[in-house]
Amino acid sequence: NAGVTQTPKFRVLKTGQSMTLLCAQDMNHEYMYWYRQDPGMGLRLIHYSVGEGTTAKGEVPDGYNVSRLKKQNFLLGLESAAPSQTSVYFCASSEPGQYYEQYFGPGTRLTVT
Amino acid sequence: AQSVAQPEDQVNVAEGNPLTVKCTYSVSGNPYLFWYVQYPNRGLQFLLKYITGDNLVKGSYGFEAEFNKSQTSFHLKKPSALVSDSALYFCAVRAPNTGRRALTFGSGTRLQVQP
Repeated sequence: NAGVTQTPKFRVLKTGQSMTLLCAQDMNHEYMYWYRQDPGMGLRLIHYSVGEGTTAKGEVPDGYNVSRLKKQNFLLGLESAAPSQTSVYFCASSEPGQYYEQYFGPGTRLTVT
Repeated sequence: AQSVAQPEDQVNVAEGNPLTVKCTYSVSGNPYLFWYVQYPNRGLQFLLKYITGDNLVKGSYGFEAEFNKSQTSFHLKKPSALVSDSALYFCAVRAPNTGRRALTFGSGTRLQVQP
């Protein structure tokens, strides 16, 4: 099993450009999440999904959109990138239920200039 | 609202000595508590969790954590540190039955184990 994979690993964008980050999991998990990690701030939830075709906002959703058209994939989009979106983005997945641990991908390092 | 505090940005310990990484939480009701470890340029890896039952939980790589309800703490411990334990450690909490499905993470504690 590959677990949770993320594409791309690194990306540099200019302000105003758009891009999509792809997350894929092969564990048949119902729940998927997108987090961003900034120095000294831990991980903050951007959006999450509790099943195919569903999405919901997390703590810091502004400037991002998501889609979950297939159970195994969770896409994070930036329509018009801003320097404040420079961060490391992590995708995670888990079984349904609040006591299950999350499995994380290796991350995408995004720089917006 | 739920929150997690990791009061130490960095913990330094000599190899072979015991280590403790502190975590306190604030949540309504009985919490679900987790510890994750992050090695450089890697994603987070699950170490252990407390859901219910015995206050001392054991996890991967010889780590354990003690749940203390009265002190609202969930400190991570290991009896004998290894240089390879050097990494960033995150505590996380989830409040059951609130409809909130994601974890709230602390800001992380960097553990440095000196040879």
